Amino acid sequence: GAVVSQHPSWVICKSGTSVKIECRSLDFQATTMFWYRQFPKQSLMLMATSNEGSKATYEQGVEKDKFLINHASLTLSTLTVTSAHPEDSSFYICSAYRVTYEQYFGPGTRLTVT
Amino acid sequence: KNEVEQSPQNLTAQEGEFITINCSYSVGISALHWLQQHPGGGIVSLFMLSSGKKKHGRLIATINIQEKHSSLHITASHPRDSAVYICAVRWRSGGSNYKLTFGKGTLLTVNP
Repeated sequence: GAVVSQHPSWVICKSGTSVKIECRSLDFQATTMFWYRQFPKQSLMLMATSNEGSKATYEQGVEKDKFLINHASLTLSTLTVTSAHPEDSSFYICSAYRVTYEQYFGPGTRLTVT
Repeated sequence: KNEVEQSPQNLTAQEGEFITINCSYSVGISALHWLQQHPGGGIVSLFMLSSGKKKHGRLIATINIQEKHSSLHITASHPRDSAVYICAVRWRSGGSNYKLTFGKGTLLTVNP
């Protein structure tokens, strides 16, 4: 089946630094990728929709200057958490949409900001 | 408002039992996903359905489009099946919007 990878799987960073998370579709081209955030014991919350070659569409309440999304190719989208703070600590998950096959989820990245 | 309801919220079973998790949704859909998430772990896609029934190993997923209802069954449950199971749908009226709406999840615990 289709595979989506994320890198890194976990990261610890200091407050004020930036962290980049990569999402790759390994065996198909994904024109659309989604970024989700999940807090403990809660369901996934959609942060933004990333379309290849265009600006991401952010959900209400998500700061686009803080969570920078780049979908530079049909197999790669990146999420950069800028000037991270402890409240940004969370589990970040991406998914890739494959036309007629629906979405495939990445394994997630656990971010801890100290 | 388009909603996805899962039941039960929590489910505890003994090893070997047959398990059913339910998902109901409010309006027509173009696709329904069943996802699995182990504690502290990533999301694993179990099934994507638009009609009928799918089976993979001990897992079976069914969907009734008319009743707007889907079930996930686990036969001969095992402690390693303990996880949160999440139902997610893409609404038919979404057009080119591929966003999913998620249920709140069912926490399954299978005791040995």
